[in-house]
Amino acid sequence: EVQLVESGGGLVQPGRSLKLSCVASGFTFSNYGMNWIRQAPGKGLEWVAYISSGSSYIYYAETVKGRFTISRDNAKNTLYLQMTSLRSEDTALYYCARARGVFFDYWGQGVMVTVSS
Amino acid sequence: EIVLTQSPTTMAASPGEKVTLTCRASSSVSYMHWYQQRSGTSPKLWIYETSKLASGVPNRFSGSGSGTSYSLTINSMETEDAATYYCQQGSSYPFTFGSGTKLEIK
Repeated sequence: EVQLVESGGGLVQPGRSLKLSCVASGFTFSNYGMNWIRQAPGKGLEWVAYISSGSSYIYYAETVKGRFTISRDNAKNTLYLQMTSLRSEDTALYYCARARGVFFDYWGQGVMVTVSS
Repeated sequence: EIVLTQSPTTMAASPGEKVTLTCRASSSVSYMHWYQQRSGTSPKLWIYETSKLASGVPNRFSGSGSGTSYSLTINSMETEDAATYYCQQGSSYPFTFGSGTKLEIK
């Protein structure tokens, strides 16, 4: 069974940093690209970042480019999202999602990030 | 960036009713993908590559379309289909989602 479990969220002040993790199990993690997707409270879905299976290809949404860094450790079956210079508009539930080509076939349960003073 | 516009924003359907949700893209896309999100849960892949049902999706669902116009159809609405449905394009980065259609049971 494919499982994606996010962690690392919490309450953080504007301008500070936070690092999210997503531990994968039930599939060969190193064979799949991975994504971060977020959902602000009561709002729709926003794709945030993608990383290919071997980390050769990385893409970001314009709203986070230069502030967020996606990375992965295939030996640990773990996906990361380093978030810096956080803003109130980054407040959201952050999901990691497995890439199947250019869509997302499995999603985690999400981790909440709240940016507030 | 390709903008996806979903309509309607909200709708209610009676059990047994046929339902059609639409998604229009600001530029032509190769395929459209759809996700179902029930209240308080993570999104689930529902339809991929325009018309292929994800594992476990009932065959009362179908998807169609091409170019800039796509749709998701429920042949006969059931209570369990009440959810928000999002379309998504993967033809170009940044990947984008529609704003969703909230489907309620009447």
